[in-house]
Amino acid sequence: EDKVVQSPLSLVVHEGDTVTLNCSYEVTNFRSLLWYKQEKKAPTFLFMLTSSGIEKKSGRLSSILDKKELSSILNITATQTGDSAIYLCAVVGGSYDKVIFGPGTSLSVIP
Amino acid sequence: NAGVTQTPKFQVLKTGQSMTLQCAQDMNHNSMYWYRQDPGMGLRLIYYSASEGTTDKGEVPNGYNVSRLNKREFSLRLESAAPSQTSVYFCASRTGGDGGYTFGSGTRLTVV
Repeated sequence: EDKVVQSPLSLVVHEGDTVTLNCSYEVTNFRSLLWYKQEKKAPTFLFMLTSSGIEKKSGRLSSILDKKELSSILNITATQTGDSAIYLCAVVGGSYDKVIFGPGTSLSVIP
Repeated sequence: NAGVTQTPKFQVLKTGQSMTLQCAQDMNHNSMYWYRQDPGMGLRLIYYSASEGTTDKGEVPNGYNVSRLNKREFSLRLESAAPSQTSVYFCASRTGGDGGYTFGSGTRLTVV
C-alpha cells in the first residue's frame, strides 16, 4: 500500500534555530514530491521536487529529494514565529493518479 | 482569480441529516478531489475525479457520494451524517500529471 511518512510529528524550537523536517515514501509510479505549509486554513504550496539532488530554495526554506533513499528533507534556517505551521509532504503517483499526503509535522517556533 | 471555492465554510448537522458540500474551480483543471483532515491523520482522500464524467473512490469513501457536474464543479454529499464525519473537508484541483494541488479554504463540519 502506498504511504508517506513524516518525522518528527511535532517540533518546538526557538526563534533563530534551524530545523530539518523529514519525509519518506513508498509509492508506486513515483512522479514528484510536494511540500505544503498549512497555517489556519488551506495548505499553501511550497515546493515540487522531481529530480534527485537538485535543491529547491525559497528564502530561508530549502528542500531536496533523494530518490535512492525514497526521501526528502525540508530545511528552514533562522526560524521565525511566522514559520509556525503544519508542514505537509505529499507524493504524486500511486496506483492511480492521486496525491498521497503524509500526516504532517507540526512546527512551533517560540520567541 | 478565485481559484478553488468551497461552500459552506462552517456547518453543524444533526446525526442522520444530509447535506452537500459544493466546490468549484476556475482554473480549467481536469482533476478534482475531496479530502478530509483529522488531527494526527493528515489529509485522507475521500473521492476524486480525474476528468469530467468520471469519479473514483479514495481511501475513505464510506458514507459519502460525489458528483462531477461539469469540469468546474465537484460536489460531496453526506446522505446520513454521523458524528464520525466531523472533520475539516478540503476540495482541491490540479491540472494532472506532476502538477501540485490548489486547495479550497475548507469546510469545518460538526455532526452532533
